[in-house]
Amino acid sequence: EPEVTQTPSHQVTQMGQEVILRCVPISNHLYFYWYRQILGQKVEFLVSFYNNEISEKSEIFDDQFSVERPDGSNFTLKIRSTKLEDSAMYFCASSPLDRRETQYFGPGTRLLVL
Amino acid sequence: ELKVEQNPLFLSMQEGKNYTIYCNYSTTSDRLYWYRQDPGKSLESLFVLLSNGAVKQEGRLMASLDTKARLSTLHITAAVHDLSATYFCAVDPSSGTYKYIFGTGTRLKVLA
Repeated sequence: EPEVTQTPSHQVTQMGQEVILRCVPISNHLYFYWYRQILGQKVEFLVSFYNNEISEKSEIFDDQFSVERPDGSNFTLKIRSTKLEDSAMYFCASSPLDRRETQYFGPGTRLLVL
Repeated sequence: ELKVEQNPLFLSMQEGKNYTIYCNYSTTSDRLYWYRQDPGKSLESLFVLLSNGAVKQEGRLMASLDTKARLSTLHITAAVHDLSATYFCAVDPSSGTYKYIFGTGTRLKVLA
């Protein structure tokens, strides 16, 4: 069964450094999303992406964040200058054109900012 | 600001018992989703509820949606240990944006 994959599974970085989190959505899906989950808390929407554009974004998704689909398979989240409070699990999700309401989540990248 | 609240936050129950998890939300929406998360794992889609009165069942879990009451329930029948996980509901606050707002989560522990 096709799955969303994410790399790396864990990332440790120093405050102020840039990180890029990578996702490979399910191949025939056209909608892509990033969420984050701070340890022990609820899942928070960051951004949705369709047709090479951001569709929706939350208040969390400020100028420090950006998303890109650099090729036909990868979907990336970049945090330009990480802060301590960016430490969280970051989930990528994708959904197909005909069933957009069903989002398939990847295994997540655990980001720790020191 | 849309709020999505679940209760209880923690639930410890014996195998074989029945229980209901509640998800209340504060704005009009006719789209609600239930997810399961095992510790350290990703989110697994359980149910997609897209209209008032929608009811879906899968195994020992049944979900329903009452959009007028802004309430969804996840009912567990004859719980088994394998159902131990955290359950999240999520609401799409503006039909068609798919900008899901997740609830606080209910951590369920089923005791043998």
